[in-house]
Amino acid sequence: EIVLTQSPGTLSLSPGERATLSCRASQSVSSSSLAWYQQKPGQAPRLLIYGASTRATGIPDRFSGSGSGTDFTLIISRLEPEDFAVYYCQQYGSSYTFGQGTKLQIK
Amino acid sequence: EVPLVESGGGLIQPGGSLRLSCAASGLTVSSNYMTWVRQAPGKGLEWVSIIYSGGGAYYAGSVRGRFTISRDNSKNTLYLQMNSLTAEDTAVYYCARVGSTSFAFDIWGQGTMVTVSS
Repeated sequence: EIVLTQSPGTLSLSPGERATLSCRASQSVSSSSLAWYQQKPGQAPRLLIYGASTRATGIPDRFSGSGSGTDFTLIISRLEPEDFAVYYCQQYGSSYTFGQGTKLQIK
Repeated sequence: EVPLVESGGGLIQPGGSLRLSCAASGLTVSSNYMTWVRQAPGKGLEWVSIIYSGGGAYYAGSVRGRFTISRDNSKNTLYLQMNSLTAEDTAVYYCARVGSTSFAFDIWGQGTMVTVSS
């Protein structure tokens, strides 16, 4: 099973700042089969990025994903108030696993 | 119109069984890969099961042999039959569609809560 480790566990930033979230896999993720989801309290997750770097439909361009192999990054270029949430990475190249999440909170 | 609506959750005693439903509208369950994901209270996401459009199904190790995913094409509904439930199965259960080009989980239901407790 591919284990995904996200860092940091919690990230405290202010609106307008840049957020950098990391996701490291225990083994190489095939075909960049890596997605990012956003989840707000009491809501279902929302797909942000798939294929490591492709934004899902309707996702603002301040969200960008990059990486390959075992190291992946989600960047939010300028934080909006609605971006404060929990973010999960997921690999779907070998079965399906999620990272433990990064909580992005207002500083 | 909400594409996926789960139901069937509730309070169940350890060792009991429960069947969750996921009614779809605006998308055809049988034409898509469909999946179940769960989230224990205050915890992260855990993939549970998937059913392919061809009918093949796969399960996470934690539920294999106890849970069964299925669908009713005439009702356009996805199911998760859960047997031999334990406290570790307590979670919100989400159904989701697997995107046909992304292969990520692109449409999610609102979730249904399952509590296993005596």
